[in-house]
Amino acid sequence: EIVLTQSPGTLSLSPGERATLSCRTSQTTDFNYVAWYQQKPGQAPRLLIYGASSRATGVPDRFSGSGSGTDFTLTISRLEPEDFAVYYCQHFSSSSWTFGQGTKVEIE
Amino acid sequence: QLQLQESGPGLVKPSEPLSLSCTVSGGSIASSTSYWGWIRQPPGKGLTWIGTIHYTGSNFNNASLQSRLTISVDTSKNQFSLTLTSVTAADTAVYFCVRANYYITYGQPTYGLDVWGQGTTVTVSS
Repeated sequence: EIVLTQSPGTLSLSPGERATLSCRTSQTTDFNYVAWYQQKPGQAPRLLIYGASSRATGVPDRFSGSGSGTDFTLTISRLEPEDFAVYYCQHFSSSSWTFGQGTKVEIE
Repeated sequence: QLQLQESGPGLVKPSEPLSLSCTVSGGSIASSTSYWGWIRQPPGKGLTWIGTIHYTGSNFNNASLQSRLTISVDTSKNQFSLTLTSVTAADTAVYFCVRANYYITYGQPTYGLDVWGQGTTVTVSS
């Protein structure tokens, strides 16, 4: 079973700064099967990115995804106040879905 | 607009079964390209996948829960359900039902969990 490791655990930044979140898979994976989600307190997660780099409907273009092999990245180009949240990466396979443990983006 | 709504008891006694349903509205559960799943989140912790089902009944589950888990689908009610037996305090969590939507990127198929229920809190306690 594939394991996803996200880093850092917490990212302390200011509005307007760039956020770079990492997700490493324990095995080489087809980039197509990696997604990213945003979760705010008391809410269900929201799909941001699918297929490693495609933005979901309604997601601002300051969010971008990239990566291949075992290393995937979510970048927020300029943090807006509403972007401070927890972010999860996820991997799909034909027999399991797996989430990373999450990265919290907090206001510095 | 597709919506999902979880339902079930908020309190379950240890060793008893936990049963939840998810009602799909604004669309049909009988989509050949969609999968339906359950995700849970213990208090203050991250997301854990529980299991996934297709409207045909084909399903796959988290290996760590497999022995206690049944996920089923009822197309006549546009619902899918989860039953987890022999629950303990470790099963206390917010339970979300989700849709895995089918996309094509760079000519290849992929999925994303694009619709989530609001989540239902289940507490295991005597």
